[in-house]
Amino acid sequence: GAGVSQSPSNKVTEKGKDVELRCDPISGHTALYWYRQSLGQGLEFLIYFQGNSAPDKSGLPSDRFSAERTGGSVSTLTIQRTQQEDSAVYLCASSLEERQPQHFGDGTRLSIL
Amino acid sequence: DQQVKQNSPSLSVQEGRISILNCDYTNSMFDYFLWYKKYPAEGPTFLISISSIKDKNEDGRFTVFLNKSAKHLSLHIVPSQPGDSAVYFCAASAVRTNAGKSTFGDGTTLTVKP
Repeated sequence: GAGVSQSPSNKVTEKGKDVELRCDPISGHTALYWYRQSLGQGLEFLIYFQGNSAPDKSGLPSDRFSAERTGGSVSTLTIQRTQQEDSAVYLCASSLEERQPQHFGDGTRLSIL
Repeated sequence: DQQVKQNSPSLSVQEGRISILNCDYTNSMFDYFLWYKKYPAEGPTFLISISSIKDKNEDGRFTVFLNKSAKHLSLHIVPSQPGDSAVYFCAASAVRTNAGKSTFGDGTTLTVKP
């Protein structure tokens, strides 16, 4: 489809393991965002990329979290040494430009045992 | 400090009646506001937006009102339909200073009863 694609849709892993979450934005969208939604909470901003500018990493909760966007398209969110509190739905969104409404993927549900 | 608040976790209305969802914000730098709708196991989808230079924006059954002095916005759905049952998120951004970053409320779950 032409929407934002995230993989995997579900991920279960043991505490202490590293995980990688992938986001394929809509083609041509210059802005890409990552959010986290814990149970019963709103969307917590993590990081966003705009074109070739340095990403805004102000929402990353700790240095265990990192993200990159290769070639201005696909993005990977990496969580190292996962903790149980990292369990959440991780949502990726993209927009044509940074001042436009965001189009969201269906998220990756991450469960840390 | 939560900058965008949706104080009603849930709302239930009868089909055909008006649904009013409310949102309050504290950051006076916010100048662009959006509403998103979210169904279970899906990502949010954009519904309607409003810039701070306006006080009302309408799109079909959906109208957003902005009261800048009160730092309050609301989403009106008229008439409500069972398919409108979803979680509604209010979001705000300071386009002039930090264009891409949106701050979201915790959401209001709307249930429209047939």
